[in-house]
Amino acid sequence: GNSVTQMEGPVTLSEEAFLTINCTYTATGYPSLFWYVQYPGEGLQLLLKATKADDKGSNKGFEATYRKETTSFHLEKGSVQVSDSAVYFCALKGYSTLTFGKGTMLLVSP
Amino acid sequence: EPEVTQTPSHQVTQMGQEVILRCVPISNHLYFYWYRQILGQKVEFLVSFYNNEISEKSEIFDDQFSVERPDGSNFTLKIRSTKLEDSAMYFCASTGQGALQETQYFGPGTRLLVL
Repeated sequence: GNSVTQMEGPVTLSEEAFLTINCTYTATGYPSLFWYVQYPGEGLQLLLKATKADDKGSNKGFEATYRKETTSFHLEKGSVQVSDSAVYFCALKGYSTLTFGKGTMLLVSP
Repeated sequence: EPEVTQTPSHQVTQMGQEVILRCVPISNHLYFYWYRQILGQKVEFLVSFYNNEISEKSEIFDDQFSVERPDGSNFTLKIRSTKLEDSAMYFCASTGQGALQETQYFGPGTRLLVL
């Protein structure tokens, strides 16, 4: 079956540091890949997505590239802000439903 | 910007009681989903719903669970007789049709605590 593995958190960074959150997946076929973000007290918000190999999704300074050869979709940001503190979920979509990773908490300090 | 809403935000109930969680999907969306997240665990798919019937369900979605679209706007999840292990955050999501079916938009969740 489909599965998503994310790096364990929390990830603790200082403002303006570089961020990488690793995500790898196992899936049959050619899934679409997503990053969702959950800010404290809020729901899951779509951050970015990629629907085929070598696609790069980007939004709000975050980027992730769909790497079929390594079955990965790592999230990166060049310079994090305190307001980026949240839980980040990697997910894949097979036919219709989403399979999520466990989520990675990011804490950014001033 | 249109959004998915859910009520209540929190619910506490006694084991064995029935609960109904409510969701209002984005107005022109046609596909609806429920997911749940037990504290510290992954977000898990429960059920998807289209054209007034269940289109897919997971092993978690047993006879204790049911879904309904009672009118043109609400989408509900009913748990008939709650168990302690039903304590979780429940998320509703919806998508549009065609290419718009690609992205699921989530509500803020209902935190259910079963005592």
